[in-house]
Amino acid sequence: QTVVTQEPSFSVSPGGTVTLTCGLSSGSVSTTYYPSWYQQTPGQAPRTLIYSTNTRSSGVPDRFSGSILGNKAALTITGAQADDESDYYCVLYMGSGISVFGTGTKVTVL
Amino acid sequence: EVQLVQSGAEVKKSGESLQISCKGSGYSFTNYWIGWVRQMPGRGLEWMGIIYPGDSHTIYSPSFQGQVTISADRSISTTYLQWSSLRASDTAIYYCAKHVAGRAAMDVWGQGTTVTVSS
Repeated sequence: QTVVTQEPSFSVSPGGTVTLTCGLSSGSVSTTYYPSWYQQTPGQAPRTLIYSTNTRSSGVPDRFSGSILGNKAALTITGAQADDESDYYCVLYMGSGISVFGTGTKVTVL
Repeated sequence: EVQLVQSGAEVKKSGESLQISCKGSGYSFTNYWIGWVRQMPGRGLEWMGIIYPGDSHTIYSPSFQGQVTISADRSISTTYLQWSSLRASDTAIYYCAKHVAGRAAMDVWGQGTTVTVSS
């Protein structure tokens, strides 16, 4: 079974930039996987940040951006703020209606 | 405002059946896929399956096929997640989420329903 891989954790300084990635255990991620990104803080429901690789969901600030970097999907946070400290998950669309979540990345802002 | 409101927390015993719900409002309920997502204690998010309320077409993750049933009642804009025989390993928070046009991503989430199953 295909595994969607993410970095377990990242640390970023306030005001800094961090890029999280989302890859496949075998193969490359492209726009045909319609990568999407979600933010979850402890005790809260997930919040949609990005879908279809680089489309920001309603109300999401433009310091969150999505792209394809090499063979992975990427989420870049520019000008990190304290309340960006969260878990971040990607989702890849595998076709035939089936999607798979990534393993998640815990981002610490300090 | 587009909203998904889920039913309240449940405490059940192993072997019991359960149905939790997710009611949509503020959009055309029958025209967008809705999915269910599991989060076990201290773990990540898992995609379980989706349903198109317009015709109740349902697609399951292979990991959840045969373990749960997803259904919808479009007359009351509600989707359901159902177990016929719960296990302790079903203990988790379950989220419903409306998909964007198409079915590749979610855009609006319910608040989550906590299911606790004791053995």
